[in-house]
Amino acid sequence: AQSVTQLGSHVSVSEGALVLLRCNYSSSVPPYLFWYVQYPNQGLQLLLKYTTGATLVKGINGFEAEFKKSETSFHLTKPSAHMSDAAEYFCAVSANNQGGKLIFGQGTELSVKP
Amino acid sequence: NAGVMQNPRHLVRRRGQEARLRCSPMKGHSHVYWYRQLPEEGLKFMVYLQKENIIDESGMPKERFSAEFPKEGPSILRIQQVVRGDSAAYFCASSPPFKATDTQYFGPGTRLTVL
Repeated sequence: AQSVTQLGSHVSVSEGALVLLRCNYSSSVPPYLFWYVQYPNQGLQLLLKYTTGATLVKGINGFEAEFKKSETSFHLTKPSAHMSDAAEYFCAVSANNQGGKLIFGQGTELSVKP
Repeated sequence: NAGVMQNPRHLVRRRGQEARLRCSPMKGHSHVYWYRQLPEEGLKFMVYLQKENIIDESGMPKERFSAEFPKEGPSILRIQQVVRGDSAAYFCASSPPFKATDTQYFGPGTRLTVL
């Protein structure tokens, strides 16, 4: 079985500060990992994904995440927060033996202070 | 290329009524997934369909909920005899023929309110 834990349901940073959103996963098979962003009253948009290969993954809007197998983590970072980054962020896991369904974490709401 | 379309965007039903939620996948996508987002919670997988086939319905409540993806037309998520606990946002996602590494593209969701 697979699961995802996002540490911190709410994270607040100042504009220009580092953004760090934490995600830990559990999987009995090699995982595929995703970060999605959800703006208010909208659907989810893919930020980035890890499948195989390079463990540091770069996504849209300056975000990146690093897959660390030894720590079962896939934390999302951005060096400098923008006001427009304020949104809800979801980490998700999938696997070949799960038929493609995504297992999501609880989400982290990011606030950006001016 | 239009994205995933869902309608209606907002749906209000009284307890006991039926709710029908529609999802049109992206062009060229033959796989559809439905997820439910309850207030203050993450998204939970409900069902995975291909054209005319239900592939995985392990996340569907045993009663009152059904889904279909006919040969022609949108995918439909149907909730019979709605109760207040069904109030949630329902998201549809689509992808090309299955690979677990494929990106799922999400629609804007249908927000169901049960009075």
